[in-house]
Amino acid sequence: DAGVIQSPRHEVTEMGQEVTLRCKPISGHNSLFWYRQTMMRGLELLIYFNNNVPIDDSGMPEDRFSAKMPNASFSTLKIQPSEPRDSAVYFCASSPRDADNEQFFGPGTRLTVL
Amino acid sequence: QQQVKQSPQSLIVQKGGISIINCAYENTAFDYFPWYQQFPGKGPALLIAIRPDVSEKKEGRFTISFNKSAKQFSVHIMDSQPGDSATYFCAASFYTGTASKLTFGTGTRLQVTL
Repeated sequence: DAGVIQSPRHEVTEMGQEVTLRCKPISGHNSLFWYRQTMMRGLELLIYFNNNVPIDDSGMPEDRFSAKMPNASFSTLKIQPSEPRDSAVYFCASSPRDADNEQFFGPGTRLTVL
Repeated sequence: QQQVKQSPQSLIVQKGGISIINCAYENTAFDYFPWYQQFPGKGPALLIAIRPDVSEKKEGRFTISFNKSAKQFSVHIMDSQPGDSATYFCAASFYTGTASKLTFGTGTRLQVTL
């Protein structure tokens, strides 16, 4: 079974541009999490979904960040407009219904905003 | 407010030695304590986990010790190998009613030398 799939793996963009990160969770998992990892702040939970519904977005840093989960197999994290301080590795993770505290992480998207 | 404190920040251990990483938490609502292992360029991967009703759990060369009264837990890596060189994160979670929300420590970079 494939793990969590994220795309793109690397993204370089200029300040002010819109960035969209994509995630396909493991089939059958019903919770999905978006994290951001930086040297300064470590791993931060941005938002999580349960059964495609956003449950807690208190970790989203600003209104420039938005996330959607239109169906059980796809989620996006959008940054508009992007800023250099958004440069980080963004991880998507999913967890199954019967073991929802076991989160499986994707390989991440390394975002660089110039 | 950092709810999970991890130490040391970095650790160098000789091959065959014991690696010890410690974590402390504040929120008594936490009920699940996993450890994640992250290699460069990869997402964190669940290594081993423990619940508060158990004081110790061993899986292969990895052992978690848990002290509920002190609100501390640690991982011991016995017979450390160069392949164990990675960043290790402790975490703690509690069930929100819809999903389990993980709070991560700041990470420990382990280097196992020959």
